[in-house]
Amino acid sequence: AQTVTQSQPEMSVQEAETVTLSCTYDTSESNYYLFWYKQPPSRQMILVIRQEAYKQQNATENRFSVNFQKAAKSFSLKISDSQLGDTAMYFCAFMKHWGGGSNYKLTFGKGTLLTVNP
Amino acid sequence: DADVTQTPRNRITKTGKRIMLECSQTKGHDRMYWYRQDPGLGLQLIYYSFDVKDINKGEISDGYSVSRQAQAKFSLSLESAIPNQTALYFCATSDSRTDNEQFFGPGTRLTVL
Repeated sequence: AQTVTQSQPEMSVQEAETVTLSCTYDTSESNYYLFWYKQPPSRQMILVIRQEAYKQQNATENRFSVNFQKAAKSFSLKISDSQLGDTAMYFCAFMKHWGGGSNYKLTFGKGTLLTVNP
Repeated sequence: DADVTQTPRNRITKTGKRIMLECSQTKGHDRMYWYRQDPGLGLQLIYYSFDVKDINKGEISDGYSVSRQAQAKFSLSLESAIPNQTALYFCATSDSRTDNEQFFGPGTRLTVL
């Protein structure tokens, strides 16, 4: 079974600064996807960024980027120029590519609560 | 209009009551999922359905049942609610043909007294 570990229950950052959230995972699979989801106080789950394991290049989405280290099974999220609206719970998630019927399930970490201070 | 909707958004019920949470989607996706979120935990998969005739148990299916009434509708039932089922419940959908991303509904907060 896959496990996802987020070792930082809470973090804070000043507005406009950069913050990095950590995530490690354990799997024997070679073909999989990794995600960061954001859950603001509205409780909606919002996809922030996605990384395919077969791609060596780190994914980026505007102010959000990842540092994907496949050998180390590490997938950290960097938020640049932090904004007050980035305040949320952030979840790292793993999705195994089952092959065959290409069926997927998400396994989530416990989350990191990020607070952006003015 | 939201692509994935859940009803009700909030519900308070008593121990032993039967309750149904409903999920509808207009995205045309074939796959649907029910997750549960507890404080301090990530989301855990309860049930998932890859099409109308394909329903599977997830990690924590005990005490729950589901029904896929149509491709667009997936309901979660608690036959006899108990207090430790108090949680936030999310429905999600995905499209097997095009992408691996799951799209989440707004969640239902359920309290069992």
